[in-house]
Amino acid sequence: QVQLQESGPGLVKPSQTLSLSCTVSGGSISSGSYYWSWIRQHPGKGLEWIGYIYYSGTTHYNPSLKSRVTISVDRSKNQFSLKLSSVTAADTAVYYCARDAGITLTGYYYGMDVWGQGTTVTVSS
Amino acid sequence: QSVLTQPPSASGTPGQTVTISCSGSSSNIGTDTVNWYQQLPGTAPKLLIYSNQRPSGVPDRFSGSRSGTSASLAISGLQSEDEADYYCAAWDDSLNGPVFGGGTKLTVL
Repeated sequence: QVQLQESGPGLVKPSQTLSLSCTVSGGSISSGSYYWSWIRQHPGKGLEWIGYIYYSGTTHYNPSLKSRVTISVDRSKNQFSLKLSSVTAADTAVYYCARDAGITLTGYYYGMDVWGQGTTVTVSS
Repeated sequence: QSVLTQPPSASGTPGQTVTISCSGSSSNIGTDTVNWYQQLPGTAPKLLIYSNQRPSGVPDRFSGSRSGTSASLAISGLQSEDEADYYCAAWDDSLNGPVFGGGTKLTVL
């Protein structure tokens, strides 16, 4: 059974870079056609997709964050990571990593079937 | 502002059937199937419905449907443990990624 666990600093200063990792256990990050994703949730708000790295290494980001986001994978550690640069208080949120089983050519979307527990990141000086 | 539109709140009494709506566009719900997530307080979202199907372990009291650019989640035989936030999601072909609704807070009276 695949499990995900986020890790990283809970406090980041404004203008710095937020860095989080997601460790995959119970399965290989390289197996299956999955989109390894990051999602965030601002306090008391809904879910916002940040981006994903496909199992092949291809990345895709939410246009609203694209200029500041980098998602990468370390297959030797079975991890994928998020970097968000030039953070402000508006980036304070709970950050989740998730496995997205993706969509077929006929539009059948399987959705995010495995989620990490989430990690709270506060941007403050 | 979320791409998909949900009512902010819904409520019902135990045993009732509650329906939560989700409205989108031709680039998401109009083309692709819809998923629903349940988020209990203080926990991560959990996949509840994918493409009108239930993952293993999800009670058959939960069901999803889609028509045109709208979708619905129905919860029958409402129970107190169903009190949670519910989010719809769909793949957006223009974005080439998933989009979410703003969430509906379900209260069991």
